[in-house]
Amino acid sequence: GAGVSQSPRYKVTKRGQDVALRCDPISGHVSLYWYRQALGQGPEFLTYFNYEAQQDKSGLPNDRFSAERPEGSISTLTIQRTEQRDSAMYRCASSLAGPQGRSTGELFFGEGSRLTVL
Amino acid sequence: SQKIEQNSEALNIQEGKTATLTCNYTNYSPAYLQWYRQDPGRGPVFLLLIRENEKEKRKERLKVTFDTTLKQSLFHITASQPADSATYLCALSNNDMRFGAGTRLTVKP
Repeated sequence: GAGVSQSPRYKVTKRGQDVALRCDPISGHVSLYWYRQALGQGPEFLTYFNYEAQQDKSGLPNDRFSAERPEGSISTLTIQRTEQRDSAMYRCASSLAGPQGRSTGELFFGEGSRLTVL
Repeated sequence: SQKIEQNSEALNIQEGKTATLTCNYTNYSPAYLQWYRQDPGRGPVFLLLIRENEKEKRKERLKVTFDTTLKQSLFHITASQPADSATYLCALSNNDMRFGAGTRLTVKP
């Protein structure tokens, strides 16, 4: 597709269940970022990848959160044993690589996956 | 710890005036700074990027300044229009990309 695609768009789950959120970046984009955004707040950084390598996971709230991008394209954010406080919009963004393979900076965001934990 | 602060949650101005939004940061040495626009229910959309060695950048009615001594960026929208009403986010990058909380701008006709 032409843009960043995220699925599912909406996910309602019960507390304690695991969820997997998928991000399909723009073709050719080598950097991929995950954010969590609460209503009225800016995107909160979770983690990012260059190609398949996870560069920084310092924003992941705890060890229930993990992300992977095994082939340097599609990425999955997994939340294990979900809790009500995990309810939020989860956004993925991708960007092109500039010199030295690092992001050129401009992020293209998907429409997000809204997670509701009951 | 790193902090990115945008001057106010909300800014209301009259159509035709210049809107000025502020982004301050601490404990950070960004390679570049960006501004994004976000409309309700949508993802952020990139507007402008300014590098640490640049003082000012312009794009149409938009102007961004970047003062690494003050650790501050100013974002100006001249001749503002009601269609400019949105939330504006600043983002800092030094490999990662971190955002401020945003300022909600309302331009009244």
